[in-house]
Amino acid sequence: GQSLEQPSEVTAVEGAIVQINCTYQTSGFYGLSWYQQHDGGAPTFLSYNALDGLEETGRFSSFLSRSDSYGYLLLQELQMKDSASYFCAVRGLLENYGGSQGNLIFGKGTKLSVKP
Amino acid sequence: EAQVTQNPRYLITVTGKKLTVTCSQNMNHEYMSWYRQDPGLGLRQIYYSMNVEVTDKGDVPEGYKVSRKEKRNFPLILESPSPNQTSLYFCASSFRALETQYFGPGTRLLVL
Repeated sequence: GQSLEQPSEVTAVEGAIVQINCTYQTSGFYGLSWYQQHDGGAPTFLSYNALDGLEETGRFSSFLSRSDSYGYLLLQELQMKDSASYFCAVRGLLENYGGSQGNLIFGKGTKLSVKP
Repeated sequence: EAQVTQNPRYLITVTGKKLTVTCSQNMNHEYMSWYRQDPGLGLRQIYYSMNVEVTDKGDVPEGYKVSRKEKRNFPLILESPSPNQTSLYFCASSFRALETQYFGPGTRLLVL
């Protein structure tokens, strides 16, 4: 079954900062990714953490701490167009088929609503 | 234009009638994968392929088959569809397994 936990919904206002957490229970994996999906659209890649620490890409940052089994996506200067679902995903869970690089497990997603 | 294409985009079928959803990418990617997305369950991996003639099961492979005879194509086959396979299906590809995945537009399937 799924090993990733995310909040199901988050609401924030334009211009604010929001953090979407992703906690997991696994003995090992290759890296943590984040994807964005607008209603009716396909997922698009946002960020990838292969190592512990912070990765920054414009208004979006992602963080991973393997020792704490925890990661997050940080969205700054929120805009209305950021309203979407956000998924964390881990690749190569050790307990899934011996940690194949090809195996990708997604969280159930967090629906972010940005209000004016 | 670099892209992943899926056909058909929408399909209504009946239980037991074999169907194939095609997936094609023009980026010379080695890795391809199929997912299904259901409300409240997120994306779940069905099958993936690390390269030509190399396929492996994901988390929900039951009722599905795949083949990878050439690099650009990765069709998903439902030999005997059932109503519980009604879902939104996405194909994705990447240059290698650990790299950024590019998703196709999705195929919405309804099995009656």
